[in-house]
Amino acid sequence: ETGVTQTPRHLVMGMTNKKSLKCEQHLGHNAMYWYKQSAKKPLELMFVYSLEERVENNSVPSRFSPECPNSSHLFLHLHTLQPEDSALYLCASSQDSFGANVLTFGAGSRLTVL
Amino acid sequence: EDKVVQSPLSLVVHEGDTVTLNCSYEVTNFRSLLWYKQEKKAPTFLFMLTSSGIEKKSGRLSSILDKKELFSILNITATQTGDSAIYLCAGEGSARQLTFGSGTQLTVLP
Repeated sequence: ETGVTQTPRHLVMGMTNKKSLKCEQHLGHNAMYWYKQSAKKPLELMFVYSLEERVENNSVPSRFSPECPNSSHLFLHLHTLQPEDSALYLCASSQDSFGANVLTFGAGSRLTVL
Repeated sequence: EDKVVQSPLSLVVHEGDTVTLNCSYEVTNFRSLLWYKQEKKAPTFLFMLTSSGIEKKSGRLSSILDKKELFSILNITATQTGDSAIYLCAGEGSARQLTFGSGTQLTVLP
């Protein structure tokens, strides 16, 4: 399998649930990202990991918790979410996080919070 | 705060038309400007531009950057229904940070 793979593709959860999104890249890249895409809004960078070091966006609520156990895997743990968190969550990876930063995106996980 | 603005927000054309999509940016420590095409879910990379005035071309698509006026355009000639997608522009500034625009929704009618 090649590229960036995200699971699940669709997720419906209640506000009290705990769930996780998973991302796996088979490109040998050393940086991984979580983006949030809401309708008619720009992609919002949530988290970046480079060589498993986290670069955090301080505006992300604590109900979103990333985990990067190795350079090929990235998780986004979700708990006590709000309906406004419903969105498409895109994972991406890149070879070089400093400089020419061409991202390869996964197909996304469509999250609906009831 | 870095900012990328795309116009128009949406565009409907007929097959065979030529379209121009616009992207203006205000990005601190600007390094590059990138264009992506998003059809269903995953945005796919089109171009990366770092130098002014040098056109990048791929088939019917081309793009150019103006670092003095802080904008880029993406041209698509002889449009086809398969060109229907959201086109995203992003400016790269500080390390690891891409600032995206809201995108232009292009619809090509047969």
